[in-house]
Amino acid sequence: RKEVEQDPGPFNVPEGATVAFNCTYSNSASQSFFWYRQDCRKEPKLLMSVYSSGNEDGRFTAQLNRASQYISLLIRDSKLSDSATYLCVVNIRNDYKLSFGAGTTVTVRA
Amino acid sequence: DADVTQTPRNRITKTGKRIMLECSQTKGHDRMYWYRQDPGLGLRLIYYSFDVKDINKGEISDGYSVSRQAQAKFSLSLESAIPNQTALYFCATSDPQGVSTDTQYFGPGTRLTVL
Repeated sequence: RKEVEQDPGPFNVPEGATVAFNCTYSNSASQSFFWYRQDCRKEPKLLMSVYSSGNEDGRFTAQLNRASQYISLLIRDSKLSDSATYLCVVNIRNDYKLSFGAGTTVTVRA
Repeated sequence: DADVTQTPRNRITKTGKRIMLECSQTKGHDRMYWYRQDPGLGLRLIYYSFDVKDINKGEISDGYSVSRQAQAKFSLSLESAIPNQTALYFCATSDPQGVSTDTQYFGPGTRLTVL
């Protein structure tokens, strides 16, 4: 079983739509969770950390479900500029080494 | 100027050649990492270093070596390149003293092709 698994998509959505996707992780004891954004073949950049209580950053909402071992990302009012690959990232063993999912591709169309 | 830089940005080489990828950072971070990214796979950790005297293997270190020349510099070497080492390579840094100790900051990547 992979340590971090994501639906690769692609999710093709019109501008203004809401899109949401999940990521599962293997270790129930993991403490740190993140969403990174990666534009085509460029470097990943931190989008947001995921906190136990859930958190929002503008149009982006991240949630953590420890019982089912998944995190989610919801994008509201999608913009063309949201088109990217979203990487689920987990510090699986709480040792400052991150485990990356393969990414979920989102394409927002006009 | 970028905080994390990588050279070269693109490289085409032949099987059996030795190649070095270089990473420099101006963020003042102690921790540095080398990853490779292949289509359909997540980033995979090759080597990491938590300070100048500390070098550790990641999950896919075979065929690679590293050198931490200074706090700011971390080089990755392929002693004898093979075609399945064709990939996008990223260097990253993190700061254990920072507000978010796990956040990693990535360089722009090196696209390596081994023929």
